[in-house]
Amino acid sequence: DAGVIQSPRHEVTEMGQEVTLRCKPISGHDYLFWYRQTMMRGLELLIYFNNNVPIDDSGMPEDRFSAKMPNASFSTLKIQPSEPRDSAVYFCASSFSQGQPQHFGDGTRLSIL
Amino acid sequence: GENVEQHPSTLSVQEGDSAVIKCTYSDSASNYFPWYKQELGKRPQLIIDIRSNVGEKKDQRIAVTLNKTAKHFSLHITETQPEDSAVYFCAASRSNDYKLSFGAGTTVTVRA
Repeated sequence: DAGVIQSPRHEVTEMGQEVTLRCKPISGHDYLFWYRQTMMRGLELLIYFNNNVPIDDSGMPEDRFSAKMPNASFSTLKIQPSEPRDSAVYFCASSFSQGQPQHFGDGTRLSIL
Repeated sequence: GENVEQHPSTLSVQEGDSAVIKCTYSDSASNYFPWYKQELGKRPQLIIDIRSNVGEKKDQRIAVTLNKTAKHFSLHITETQPEDSAVYFCAASRSNDYKLSFGAGTTVTVRA
């Protein structure tokens, strides 16, 4: 199995630009999670999906952040407009079902200048 | 929501010694407790997990214990090796709300 695949691995862009992060979960996994990791705040859950439906987006920082899952094999996290404080590593994870381990992708290191 | 506290924040041990990391949680309904290892610049990787119907689980040099009454769980690494050096995260979740709440992490350094 290829594992959770994220792209891009690194993204550097200027403040105000739109940023789109992509994730392909492990085939057959029904749950998909987006996390943000920073030194100050650690690992934070932003949003998660079950069968392509957003279940809990209470961790999404503000309206500048949006996430979609148009099908079982693809999800995006979009930031528009981006700000320097959005700089972080963004991880996508997936799991087979409730109560099963979450498997993380390699992350996207985002730098907003 | 769930609040997970993790101690210590840093831990330095001599190669061959044991390392113990402790976590406490606030939500008595939490029943799934995974531990992740994250090496520098890499993704978090699950190393062991435990559910509330079990008090202890072992996997080679790694063990996790759970005390539901006290609401705390611990990771034990025996015979530490340099490759055990990493940041370790504990987490907790409930079965009806599959959101993982993570501890702040413990940076473990194994001295050769």
